[in-house]
Amino acid sequence: GENVEQHPSTLSVQEGDSAVIKCTYSDSASNYFPWYKQELGKGPQLIIDIRSNVGEKKDQRIAVTLNKTAKHFSLHITETQPEDSAVYFCAALGRGGSEKLVFGKGTKLTVNP
Amino acid sequence: NAGVTQTPKFQVLKTGQSMTLQCAQDMNHEYMSWYRQDPGMGLRLIHYSVGAGITDQGEVPNGYNVSRSTTEDFPLRLLSAAPSQTSVYFCASSPGTGVGETQYFGPGTRLLVL
Repeated sequence: GENVEQHPSTLSVQEGDSAVIKCTYSDSASNYFPWYKQELGKGPQLIIDIRSNVGEKKDQRIAVTLNKTAKHFSLHITETQPEDSAVYFCAALGRGGSEKLVFGKGTKLTVNP
Repeated sequence: NAGVTQTPKFQVLKTGQSMTLQCAQDMNHEYMSWYRQDPGMGLRLIHYSVGAGITDQGEVPNGYNVSRSTTEDFPLRLLSAAPSQTSVYFCASSPGTGVGETQYFGPGTRLLVL
């Protein structure tokens, strides 16, 4: 089955700096890669996603890149703000339906004012 | 819409006790699922349902039962609680199971088994 590795597990940046979180996946047939943000005491919330036929997607300060050959994808947050502080999860959808969505172990991002 | 709601928010159980974690959604979503979140482990799928009357096991189903009698509700039952089931439980729903279907998560239930 699919296996997703996520790095780093913790990341601390200064406000205004960029943050990058990287994930690798094992199943070359995976075709959908969402990113979730989890604030303290809340459930994860989808912030951006990318399909396997696209190399990059951007939404304001957030962007995701996908390298299918290397089987890795990354989340980029520019001009970080304190409210970006949260745990971020990457995920990959393996063969099948939503039940095949496999999550990484998460990255705790802290943005220092 | 209230989205995905979960009750209770927090529960303490003794080993061997049983309980039901409630999950409801008002978005008419066909797909619903239960995850557990443990430190350093990410989110792991317990059970899921692709529609009323249909359920199946996920990655870590042992010790849990589910049923789906209506589209809206998807309760998770702990038959005989064990300390290893101490975790935060999240219910999620999505319109379907196709590629790109956004999963909406509830606020979670924090369970402590003594």
